[in-house]
Amino acid sequence: RKEVEQDPGPFNVPEGATVAFNCTYSNSASQSFFWYRQDCRKEPKLLMSVYSSGNEDGRFTAQLNRASQYISLLIRDSKLSDSATYLCVVITSGAGSYQLTFGKGTKLSVIP
Amino acid sequence: DGGITQSPKYLFRKEGQNVTLSCEQNLNHDAMYWYRQDPGQGLRLIYYSQIVNDFQKGDIAEGYSVSREKKESFPLTVTSAQKNPTAFYLCASRDREPSYGYTFGSGTRLTVV
Repeated sequence: RKEVEQDPGPFNVPEGATVAFNCTYSNSASQSFFWYRQDCRKEPKLLMSVYSSGNEDGRFTAQLNRASQYISLLIRDSKLSDSATYLCVVITSGAGSYQLTFGKGTKLSVIP
Repeated sequence: DGGITQSPKYLFRKEGQNVTLSCEQNLNHDAMYWYRQDPGQGLRLIYYSQIVNDFQKGDIAEGYSVSREKKESFPLTVTSAQKNPTAFYLCASRDREPSYGYTFGSGTRLTVV
């Protein structure tokens, strides 16, 4: 099983739609989780951290399910500007260091 | 404003030539990282450094070298031993507390000509 897995998509959704991405991770000791957004030919940028209690930032909601080892990102009322690749990132600590593992990303295209 | 600066933005290398990619941060972050991204692929870790004068190999270190003589700087050299160097290279850094996430530079796109 890969360490961090995401559905690569692409997800093609109309403007105004609600779309959800999931990301599964294999190491139960993983401690920090993030969603990053990467636009074409640009660097990844932090979208939001993910907490067990869930967190919301405007149209974006992130959830963590430790029991099932997955995190999710929900985007409501999709905008054209949401079109990007969304990367799931998992941080695991061990032996005095932190290991950062990226999913391969899920591509979202919001169409008019 | 604090951030990470990568240069150059675009770099062309001839076969058999070594090139060095620059990464400088003024965030006072201890840890710095180099990743490679190929089209349609995820990020793969090349090297990382947790403190000055110390660095560790990542998953794909062969054909690359790094140094960490200053906290602010973590240059990556792509040597002639790297057989397929054309890729998008990203430098990142993080604070001591990983829950704050990682900050990325804007990347260097390297092409072998």
